[in-house]
Amino acid sequence: DAGVIQSPRHEVTEMGQEVTLRCKPISGHDYLFWYRQTMMRGLELLIYFNNNVPIDDSGMPEDRFSAKMPNASFSTLKIQPSEPRDSAVYFCASSPGPFQETQYFGPGTRLLVL
Amino acid sequence: DQQVKQNSPSLSVQEGRISILNCDYTNSMFDYFLWYKKYPAEGPTFLISISSIKDKNEDGRFTVFLNKSAKHLSLHIVPSQPGDSAVYFCAASLGNNNDMRFGAGTRLTVKP
Repeated sequence: DAGVIQSPRHEVTEMGQEVTLRCKPISGHDYLFWYRQTMMRGLELLIYFNNNVPIDDSGMPEDRFSAKMPNASFSTLKIQPSEPRDSAVYFCASSPGPFQETQYFGPGTRLLVL
Repeated sequence: DQQVKQNSPSLSVQEGRISILNCDYTNSMFDYFLWYKKYPAEGPTFLISISSIKDKNEDGRFTVFLNKSAKHLSLHIVPSQPGDSAVYFCAASLGNNNDMRFGAGTRLTVKP
């Protein structure tokens, strides 16, 4: 298996633009997670899905952020409109079960909002 | 509100010596703790975990110590190797489930 795949790997955009981050989880994994990493706050869980259903989105910073999982092999995290403070590395992870040790992280998308 | 804190952003040690990475948490309800390792341009990978019913867990060169009264955990790497150079994140959760709180990370550099 190729592991968790994220695209794009790098994104540079201007404030106010819509940004869409994509994730393909490992086949057979029922859980999918979106994290954000910043220097100040480290890794933060934004939202996670179980069997394509959002379970906990309490980490989503505000209404500008939305995440979808239309099927078991694809998820998106959208920011509209983007702001400079959204600049961070966004990780997607997937897991076959509800335990932290089994989360496999993707390589991340580095987002820079100018 | 940072519930998990790693106060040392970086640490440098000599190959063969011990590396000690520290982590503090504020929520006394946390009962499951993990360490993740992250290389540049890669996602974090799970390293070792410990439940609050234990005060020590060992896996090869890696040992995690938990001091519940001090709300402190540490990761010991002995002996340190250049390949251990990475960013290490500690994380805490309520039970062994998915809602983890991470620290900001400590960058370890092991010099040959």
